[in-house]
Amino acid sequence: AQSVAQPEDQVNVAEGNPLTVKCTYSVSGNPYLFWYVQYPNRGLQFLLKYITGDNLVKGSYGFEAEFNKSQTSFHLKKPSALVSDSALYFCAVGTNRDDKIIFGKGTRLHILP
Amino acid sequence: KAGVTQTPRYLIKTRGQQVTLSCSPISGHRSVSWYQQTPGQGLQFLFEYFSETQRNKGNFPGRFSGRQFSNSRSEMNVSTLELGDSALYLCASSLYSSYNEQFFGPGTRLTVL
Repeated sequence: AQSVAQPEDQVNVAEGNPLTVKCTYSVSGNPYLFWYVQYPNRGLQFLLKYITGDNLVKGSYGFEAEFNKSQTSFHLKKPSALVSDSALYFCAVGTNRDDKIIFGKGTRLHILP
Repeated sequence: KAGVTQTPRYLIKTRGQQVTLSCSPISGHRSVSWYQQTPGQGLQFLFEYFSETQRNKGNFPGRFSGRQFSNSRSEMNVSTLELGDSALYLCASSLYSSYNEQFFGPGTRLTVL
């Protein structure tokens, strides 16, 4: 069975600094990996996904994520944080088209002005 | 294109009652997934429907059930409500599978007293 972990409940970053939100996973076989974001009063939105190919995946709003097979990680990154990036971020993992997507518990990102 | 709609937005029930939540997916989307969101557990997968068939099911008791209609609209039912069922219930639609980009509705906030 697959699992996903977001080791940090909360991350605080100063505006303009780079940000990283961590995600590790455990699957049998090749992973399908996703990041979703939940802005206040705006619902959950898709950011990016990794299925296969380049280890660096670019997504919406300037976010990117790096797939690291040896470390079983899929960390979300952004070079320069904005206050508007403050939100709840979810990492999710699946293994094949017949299996369910499992979400992590979420990491709350606070960007400090 | 209209987004995913969920009704009702808020519900207050008492223990032992049952409840039905409704989800209308984006036009043309055939996959509908349901999730339970709570502060402590994050986002937990309930089930996924595709073409009126349950494709996957999460680890929830049999009190939680769902169905999908021929127009892809979906309903979720919870019987014999318990206090612990208080949560935000999210519906997500996607073209063919939750492995495609999922579009989430605003959710139904269920409070069980």
